[in-house]
Amino acid sequence: DTGVSQNPRHKITKRGQNVTFRCDPISEHNRLYWYRQTLGQGPEFLTYFQNEAQLEKSRLLSDRFSAERPKGSFSTLEIQRTEQGDSAMYLCASSLAGPQTGYGYTFGSGTRLTVV
Amino acid sequence: GQQVMQIPQYQHVQEGEDFTTYCNSSTTLSNIQWYKQRPGGHPVFLIQLVKSGEVKKQKRLTFQFGEAKKNSSLHITATQTTDVGTYFCAGRAAGGGNKLTFGTGTQLKVEL
Repeated sequence: DTGVSQNPRHKITKRGQNVTFRCDPISEHNRLYWYRQTLGQGPEFLTYFQNEAQLEKSRLLSDRFSAERPKGSFSTLEIQRTEQGDSAMYLCASSLAGPQTGYGYTFGSGTRLTVV
Repeated sequence: GQQVMQIPQYQHVQEGEDFTTYCNSSTTLSNIQWYKQRPGGHPVFLIQLVKSGEVKKQKRLTFQFGEAKKNSSLHITATQTTDVGTYFCAGRAAGGGNKLTFGTGTQLKVEL
């Protein structure tokens, strides 16, 4: 297994356009998380899935953001009508069960979004 | 909502000096994890602490979880240039949810 894979690595888009990112977690991990990180800040929670069910979504998350994990494997994060404030690194992570098990998150390398 | 703060924000040390970062949560935690993020990289899991007052060691790194389960610390003995990066704590709130809330991070620079 090559770890958590995210595509694309970089995305430059014009304000108002829609973008979609993909995350392929470690195959045996049943939990998948999306975080957003801006320069000099810690990762900010967006949403997480257990298998195909989206169990929690940040209250700070605009309804322009939507995430899916249709078959409990890969996940997509879509941002509609992008704004300059959406520019950030979008990180995906996966884990076995939950933190209580002692397993930490395995992060992907992220997708860097720049909205111009 | 839950907030996790870390101090200091930045730390410059000479190689061989010790380093400590402190993590404080606004709410009681069920467990806390620590991650290291190298410049240009992604966070990498270091360790998890679960019990009140727990202390764990990994070579030169010592991790502590406070008695009240609201604070934690990471201490590095005799820093090396390979320790450079940003250290984040991440806590799971007691009693609800499975998300980790990451701290603000401490950026460590080590000079020869």
